[in-house]
Formats: sequence, structure tokens, C-alpha cells
Amino acid sequence: AQTVTQSQPEMSVQEAETVTLSCTYDTSESDYYLFWYKQPPSRQMILVIRQEAYKQQNATENRFSVNFQKAAKSFSLKISDSQLGDAAMYFCAYPLNRDDKIIFGKGTRLHILP
Amino acid sequence: DAGITQSPRHKVTETGTPVTLRCHQTENHRYMYWYRQDPGHGLRLIHYSYGVKDTDKGEVSDGYSVSRSKTEDFLLTLESATSSQTSVYFCAISGGRRTEAFFGQGTRLTVV
Repeated sequence: AQTVTQSQPEMSVQEAETVTLSCTYDTSESDYYLFWYKQPPSRQMILVIRQEAYKQQNATENRFSVNFQKAAKSFSLKISDSQLGDAAMYFCAYPLNRDDKIIFGKGTRLHILP
Repeated sequence: DAGITQSPRHKVTETGTPVTLRCHQTENHRYMYWYRQDPGHGLRLIHYSYGVKDTDKGEVSDGYSVSRSKTEDFLLTLESATSSQTSVYFCAISGGRRTEAFFGQGTRLTVV
């Protein structure tokens, strides 16, 4: 069965520093998509970044980038120049090919230290 | 912002009573999902729908039922609410696995 694992329940980073959130997944599919979502205290879920598995290039969105290692089934999120507004829960997500169910990891709560 | 709304936003109910949560979308997306969010568990899929009258179970479906009679509405029913169903419930919509999922604002349900 496909699974998504986020091994860091909480992390802290100093403002302006860089932090990496880890996500690993288990799948037998060869072509798939992976997502990172952010949930700030408002509870609203917001897309951070998307990666297509068949693309070699790691996705980047401004200060957010991924380190996608397909063979290792790893999909980590790097946040550069951390800002106070980055404080949130971050979820890794994987929509299954066979039925489009979306599986989420348990989340990592990120604290930004001023 | 994607057109997705959940109602109610907050509800307190007594054990043993039926409860229905509504998710309404204006995006005409095919897929609709119900998740519950609990500390330490992340988002867990309860049920989802891949079309009108087409639904399937998720990983925590016991005690819940769903219905989708129109593209825009996806209802989640707790037939007989229990305290273990106290949670925050999220509805999500998606056009498919390649695309972003959009989420409602969440419903905080408390069963006393």
C-alpha cells in the first residue's frame, strides 16, 4: 500500500535561515505527482509546490524548492530565508494513480524563531 | 480563490445524534474528498467521490457515510455521533491527480 511518511513532527528555524522538511513515500507507480501543502494557524490549506515524478529537475517556487530523489522515494522541502509567515504545519501529499485518492503525511509543524 | 465552502463551520452535538456536514463547490471538479484532522495523525481520508453517485471509502470510513447527488455537493453523515468523532473535518476538491487540491475552511465538530 502506498504510504507517505513525515518523520519530523516539529522543527524550529531561525528567521532568515534555511530549513529542510523531509518526506518519504512508498509506491510501485512510476509516474506520479507529489505536493507540499502549508496550513497556517488560520487552518486554510495552501499549495506550496508540486513535483512531477518524470521530471528530473527539482521544482522551485521563489524561496521554496524540493529535493526530489525518485530512487530513494524522497521528497524534501527546502525553505530558504525563512520568514515569520512561514510558521505553519506542512503536509506532504501523494495522489494515487489508480483511483485519485490523495494520501497525506502526518505533517511537520514549523516554528520560526525571531 | 477556489469556490469551495463547508457548512457548518462549527458544531457541537450530543453522542448518538446524527450529524451532516455539507461541502459545496462551484468549480465543477470531478473529485471531492472528506478528511478529518487530528493532532498526531495529519489528514486522514474518510470518503471520497469520483463523480455523481460514485463514492469510495478511505482509511477511516467506519461510522461515516457520504452522498453525492449533484456535482457540486458532497455530504458527510455521522449516523450516530461518538466522542471519537470529535475532530476538524475538511472537504477538498480536485480536477485529478496532476492538479492542486483545494480545501474548504474546515468544520470543527465536537461530540459531547
